[in-house]
Amino acid sequence: ELKVEQNPLFLSMQEGKNYTIYCNYSTTSDRLYWYRQDPGKSLESLFVLLSNGAVKQEGRLMASLDTKARLSTLHITAAVHDLSATYFCAVDMEAGNTPLVFGKGTRLSVIA
Amino acid sequence: ETGVTQTPRHLVMGMTNKKSLKCEQHLGHNAMYWYKQSAKKPLELMFVYNFKEQTENNSVPSRFSPECPNSSHLFLHLHTLQPEDSALYLCASSQEDRHRNSPLHFGNGTRLTVT
Repeated sequence: ELKVEQNPLFLSMQEGKNYTIYCNYSTTSDRLYWYRQDPGKSLESLFVLLSNGAVKQEGRLMASLDTKARLSTLHITAAVHDLSATYFCAVDMEAGNTPLVFGKGTRLSVIA
Repeated sequence: ETGVTQTPRHLVMGMTNKKSLKCEQHLGHNAMYWYKQSAKKPLELMFVYNFKEQTENNSVPSRFSPECPNSSHLFLHLHTLQPEDSALYLCASSQEDRHRNSPLHFGNGTRLTVT
């Protein structure tokens, strides 16, 4: 059974600071997704990481994937208040059409 | 209209009521999903339909009954729910092929409260 663990689950950080959210998973996978969810809103796709060593950046967010370590990171650079949201990673098993398995999410609060 | 649309956005129902949630996708995808999002829990996959056939239900209680009349529409029929069924119900769609799926596209969800 594929398990996905995110940490931290809650993160309060000051504007301008850097931080990293971690996503560990338990079985082989070569595809990982990061989603953002604002309160009361839906999940918005941020990144799709398709191979070992993949790195993608959008604004102040950068995501990477290490399939050998079964680890993905979401790095936040110089945080701003608009980044406050819950961030989910979701892992796609290699074998066929299996549904994504989501982590519990990291609730990020950026404060002045 | 584009994307994945869910109605209603909010629903309050008693335990003896019957209601339905509706989802429509305008992305040309061939797979649709219902997820349940409760506080402090990971997203739980409830039902998957691809090519209009249900492929997974993950032991969801029978008080939840899905219906997928075509590849663009998905319903979740609710009856005799319990207070613990209160949650955000999210619909999603994706394009599946023989080998892999595309990313999920989510609707805005229906916030359900069972009283």
